[in-house]
Amino acid sequence: GDSVTQMEGPVTLSEEAFLTINCTYTATGYPSLFWYVQYPGEGLQLLLKATKADDKGSNKGFEATYRKETTSFHLEKGSVQVSDSAVYFCALRPSAGGYQKVTFGTGTKLQVIP
Amino acid sequence: EADIYQTPRYLVIGTGKKITLECSQTMGHDKMYWYQQDPGMELHLIHYSYGVNSTEKGDLSSESTVSRIRTEHFPLTLESARPSHTSQYLCASSDYRAEAFFGQGTRLTVV
Repeated sequence: GDSVTQMEGPVTLSEEAFLTINCTYTATGYPSLFWYVQYPGEGLQLLLKATKADDKGSNKGFEATYRKETTSFHLEKGSVQVSDSAVYFCALRPSAGGYQKVTFGTGTKLQVIP
Repeated sequence: EADIYQTPRYLVIGTGKKITLECSQTMGHDKMYWYQQDPGMELHLIHYSYGVNSTEKGDLSSESTVSRIRTEHFPLTLESARPSHTSQYLCASSDYRAEAFFGQGTRLTVV
């Protein structure tokens, strides 16, 4: 079945450091890929998405590129802020057909210190 | 605008009580989901629905039950709450065109 693997956290960075959170997936065909963010005490919010190979999703300074050849969708940000402290989830939705149930990774907690 | 609502946000209840967590969405999405989230943050799918009158058990066994009588409504019920049910419960919805949208969550504490 489909699966998503994320790097384990927590990840602790100083403000303005470069961020990478790795995400790889297993799925047939061409799934859509997502990054969600969860701030303390809240539900998940969509951060960015990519729906086909080589697409780059971006939002709020975060980027991720859909790499079909390496089945990856790594999240990056050039300069993190304290306000980026949250839990980040990688997810996929299968390509057309079937029931298209969304599959999530285990989440990576990011802590940014001043 | 994505609209999916969960009530209550917080609930503290005694052991043995029956509870229902409400989830409603106004986007007309056919698929809806309930997740249980550990303190360690991993999401565990406990129920999902592909549409009206369709419900399935998720990846994590749960003593809760769900119903889907209307497209917009997907309530979760615990007949007899226990301390082991203490957790955060997240509801979500999606369709084939869009990503999943989440509610704010219900933090349940059973004492």
